[in-house]
Amino acid sequence: DAGITQSPRHKVTETGTPVTLRCHQTENHRYMYWYRQDPGHGLRLIHYSYGVKDTDKGEVSDGYSVSRSKTEDFLLTLESATSSQTSVYFCAIIRDGQVAPGELFFGEGSRLTVL
Amino acid sequence: ILNVEQSPQSLHVQEGDSTNFTCSFPSSNFYALHWYRWETAKSPEALFVMTLNGDEKKKGRISATLNTKEGYSYLYIKGSQPEDSATYLCAFHTGTASKLTFGTGTRLQVTL
Repeated sequence: DAGITQSPRHKVTETGTPVTLRCHQTENHRYMYWYRQDPGHGLRLIHYSYGVKDTDKGEVSDGYSVSRSKTEDFLLTLESATSSQTSVYFCAIIRDGQVAPGELFFGEGSRLTVL
Repeated sequence: ILNVEQSPQSLHVQEGDSTNFTCSFPSSNFYALHWYRWETAKSPEALFVMTLNGDEKKKGRISATLNTKEGYSYLYIKGSQPEDSATYLCAFHTGTASKLTFGTGTRLQVTL
């Protein structure tokens, strides 16, 4: 158990509304990631963080912002949700000091539907 | 955007069959190649992280090989069981900020 909790696990919202997904870890690791999973695309990186207030964009960052004000929390915000952002969102971490380089540990996923 | 390709997209085998999948990735800027197993309604879990050309890793009936010079990795499952049914993802790691680029996966279904 990597101690990763995502919330909410399921959300239905309407186009144009803001949505925030939360990823919480209990072990204070530096690296945290947000991926989205869509049929035919596998997992695509949205944003990642390498420390408090240190974040950077991934390959599909348009329409998303992130914040990391505490080590344990990484928030993903959709400022104005669109139907194309309907997806399953996964948070992942890399454990500090692990032997296998870059091995990701995933949360349980958050299913977002934008109507 | 890095190109990581997996084949086949899906595979349907019978219990006891052995099978293999392919992951192709860029042969430059290689740092590591990951394999993940992803069961329906669960989260992906790492099977192998491979870093050296010629690496071979094994976990029970599942094994993987790596060729970094030509940019491919094979995942083998010997004597498939229904519990092997899952999507198998590979991911390419250049070492930059520990970002992984995933392939689209091979979906394996094993029937009795």
